[in-house]
Amino acid sequence: DAGVIQSPRHEVTEMGQEVTLRCKPISGHNSLFWYRQTMMRGLELLIYFNNNVPIDDSGMPEDRFSAKMPNASFSTLKIQPSEPRDSAVYFCASSFSGTRNQPQHFGDGTRLSIL
Amino acid sequence: DQQVKQNSPSLSVQEGRISILNCDYTNSMFDYFLWYKKYPAEGPTFLISISSIKDKNEDGRFTVFLNKSAKHLSLHIVPSQPGDSAVYFCAASAMNRDDKIIFGKGTRLHILP
Repeated sequence: DAGVIQSPRHEVTEMGQEVTLRCKPISGHNSLFWYRQTMMRGLELLIYFNNNVPIDDSGMPEDRFSAKMPNASFSTLKIQPSEPRDSAVYFCASSFSGTRNQPQHFGDGTRLSIL
Repeated sequence: DQQVKQNSPSLSVQEGRISILNCDYTNSMFDYFLWYKKYPAEGPTFLISISSIKDKNEDGRFTVFLNKSAKHLSLHIVPSQPGDSAVYFCAASAMNRDDKIIFGKGTRLHILP
């Protein structure tokens, strides 16, 4: 079975540019999560969706960050404009929330470098 | 304010010995706890979990212990193998916040030959 698919795997861009990260969750999963991993803060939740609806975006750092989930099989995380401090590894994860405590399945991440 | 704390950034253990990774939490509403394992350039993968109604859960070489009064849990790996070298994340969720889980910063485990 295909796992969570993220693209691109690596992104290097200049400060001020728009960055779009993409995620395809596991088919049948109805919850989707965006995380950011840094040395200082570890793995922090940015936003999560349930049935394509944003449920909790309290982790989104600034208005420069936005996320969408137009359908059950696709989500984007956009940073505009990007800044060097946004450099991190961004993970997408999905799970089935029909019963509680279903583990989240992670993609392999996008390593983002803002110069 | 870290609700899930892994105070040891790294740990080195001899192959064949027991690895013990520790985790503390502050939120008394947490009732479900998970451990994830992460290799370089890969996403975290689920390893083992425990509900707050239990104090121990075992799966092969992996055992998680929960001490609710101390708000502490630990992951034991016996015997440790070279493939266990990875970063281990402790995570927790609360009954009133379905789906959302809070991660610790992780502990890097090195298994020495």
